[in-house]
Amino acid sequence: DADVTQTPRNRITKTGKRIMLECSQTKGHDRMYWYRQDPGLGLRLIYYSFDVKDINKGEISDGYSVSRQAQAKFSLSLESAIPNQTALYFCATSHPTGTGVFDTGELFFGEGSRLTVL
Amino acid sequence: GQSLEQPSEVTAVEGAIVQINCTYQTSGFYGLSWYQQHDGGAPTFLSYNALDGLEETGRFSSFLSRSDSYGYLLLQELQMKDSASYFCASRISGNTGKLIFGQGTTLQVKP
Repeated sequence: DADVTQTPRNRITKTGKRIMLECSQTKGHDRMYWYRQDPGLGLRLIYYSFDVKDINKGEISDGYSVSRQAQAKFSLSLESAIPNQTALYFCATSHPTGTGVFDTGELFFGEGSRLTVL
Repeated sequence: GQSLEQPSEVTAVEGAIVQINCTYQTSGFYGLSWYQQHDGGAPTFLSYNALDGLEETGRFSSFLSRSDSYGYLLLQELQMKDSASYFCASRISGNTGKLIFGQGTTLQVKP
């Protein structure tokens, strides 16, 4: 079983619909992230959370919201989906491996959720 | 602004050596990471450089020069399975783990 699981893996929806992408992890990591990937643009950070009570905006949070229901669960919501939110979405986790610059910040990614907004 | 620049595509033959460069311009810099992604699947961590110099992990090595805001990933003894996209990522904060990714380099390995 995957350590970081995303559901759904694929979703097609219409403009204006509310969509939730879910992420659960069995790695026991406190840090969780949502990234968006568009062709030619790499991965961009939407939101991140370091524990259940901690939620932080990333580079491109407009139009998105998140919920950290438990240490192992981090959900991403699109309240009213629009076509330019069509993308591949990745959830990731991390755990400190050292202090300061010696923390590699290694991210463990889920398999991705491909969202198409028509 | 914050940006990482890397070539969009690189082609090499099986058994060869290829270098993927990455230049960065970020506010705050803690280190440079490299990730591999096959066909839109989950990116996987390859390496991290916090200090200047070369880090070697099997066939892959990664280099960092902080003074030049530059790094590279070196892949030796290329295999067909190395065909993938490679992303450099700058760690911009010491206590948040935030990464800024480059746009990725697609490596095609030919027989």
